[in-house]
Amino acid sequence: EAGVAQSPRYKIIEKRQSVAFWCNPISGHATLYWYQQILGQGPKLLIQFQNNGVVDDSQLPKDRFSAERLKGVDSTLKIQPAKLEDSAVYLCASSLMAHVGRSSYEQYFGPGTRLTVT
Amino acid sequence: DQQVKQNSPSLSVQEGRISILNCDYTNSMFDYFLWYKKYPAEGPTFLISISSIKDKNEDGRFTVFLNKSAKHLSLHIVPSQPGDSAVYFCAAASGGGADGLTFGKGTHLIIQP
Repeated sequence: EAGVAQSPRYKIIEKRQSVAFWCNPISGHATLYWYQQILGQGPKLLIQFQNNGVVDDSQLPKDRFSAERLKGVDSTLKIQPAKLEDSAVYLCASSLMAHVGRSSYEQYFGPGTRLTVT
Repeated sequence: DQQVKQNSPSLSVQEGRISILNCDYTNSMFDYFLWYKKYPAEGPTFLISISSIKDKNEDGRFTVFLNKSAKHLSLHIVPSQPGDSAVYFCAAASGGGADGLTFGKGTHLIIQP
C-alpha cells in the first residue's frame, strides 16, 4: 500500500514570496491533516479536512495561509506572502475515517516538505 | 501553554535494556494517546496507541501505560535495539481520537551498543 505522498521535498524562497505544497493521502483515507513542525518542536496542527470539508482550521494563520482539498483526495497548502518564521517542515497526514472505530484513528504521515524562507 | 510535555529531550540506554519514555498532559479532554517514532528527513511513523478506557496496551516490544489520574503516560521498549534510536513523540487527541493531534516536543532516544 502506497503511503502519503508530498511534494516538493525541499523549497527555498525569499520572504514575501508565495509557495504551495501538495499532498496525496493514502487511498481511501477520508481525513487529511496539515501540520507545521518548527525545528526542535513537535508538529502543530494547521488544518483538518474530512473528505473535502474543513473540520478544524483554528490554528491556521488565515491572513497568509490557505488550504484546499478538492474532490476529497489531494490537498494543497499555500503560503502568501511567506515570512521568516514560516521556515519549518510541513507534514501531511491522513487517517482512514473518523468515528468508525479506534483502529481508524491512527494518522499516517508523509515525508514532509522542508521550507526555508530567507 | 504546552498541553503535552515530554520533559526529557534525550535518553541514552544500553542495547538489550529497557527504554522508558515519559509524557505528561494537562488537557482533561484528551482521551486518545499515541506514540510516534521519527527518523531524520522522514515523517513520523505510528508506533502504538491507547484510549482512555484502558491503562495498558502492548504490541510486541512496545507497551504504553496510561495513568489518567496523574495525566501521565509512558512508553516501554523491551529489549531496546539499535534500530530504536530515533526521536519519539507523544501525541494526544480528543473526540475519541478523531481530532487533530497535539504533540510533545519529542525525546531523542539513543541506544548504545
